Amino acid sequence: GENVEQHPSTLSVQEGDSAVIKCTYSDSASNYFPWYKQELGKGPQLIIDIRSNVGEKKDQRIAVTLNKTAKHFSLHITETQPEDSAVYFCAARRGRSSASKIIFGSGTRLSIRP
Amino acid sequence: GAVVSQHPSWVICKSGTSVKIECRSLDFQATTMFWYRQFPKQSLMLMATSNEGSKATYEQGVEKDKFLINHASLTLSTLTVTSAHPEDSSFYICSARDFDPRGTPDRPYEQYFGPGTRLTVT
Repeated sequence: GENVEQHPSTLSVQEGDSAVIKCTYSDSASNYFPWYKQELGKGPQLIIDIRSNVGEKKDQRIAVTLNKTAKHFSLHITETQPEDSAVYFCAARRGRSSASKIIFGSGTRLSIRP
Repeated sequence: GAVVSQHPSWVICKSGTSVKIECRSLDFQATTMFWYRQFPKQSLMLMATSNEGSKATYEQGVEKDKFLINHASLTLSTLTVTSAHPEDSSFYICSARDFDPRGTPDRPYEQYFGPGTRLTVT
């Protein structure tokens, strides 16, 4: 089955600097790669996603890149702010059916230093 | 965006008792719902996939007799933890898949997550 690896597990950056989180996946048939932000005691919230036919996607301060050949994808957060502090999860999904499963990476705890 | 709710948000129960967690899609119909479990400082682990009107499909290692899932309608799925033990204490999160008949072949579904239920078994 699919295996998603994520690193680093913790990341601390100065406010205003950029943060980068990287993930690799094992199943070459995976075609959908969402990123989630989870705050303490809450469910994960989708912040951005990318599909296998796209190499890069940007939404304001957040961008995601995908390298299908190498089977890795990354999240980039620029101009970080205190409210960006949270746990971020990458994920991968194979297929387009309603039962297609989202498999999560291990998570990155991002801390923004004031 | 679509909203998925869970009830209760937290529950404390005694060892040996059963507890039911509800997951509802508030403004859309979900043919498929997923249940995840998350231990402290760990990732979300998929427990099972449920389709409305049919039996749930459990992931390897998840006891189906212990974690009973009922997807009774297109807007409601329930997870019952039977004979709960302290090791079942965890954060349980449901997710609902929204089928969009106007969606593209590349994006026929969207998936939304609930706020989670904190279960503590004493």
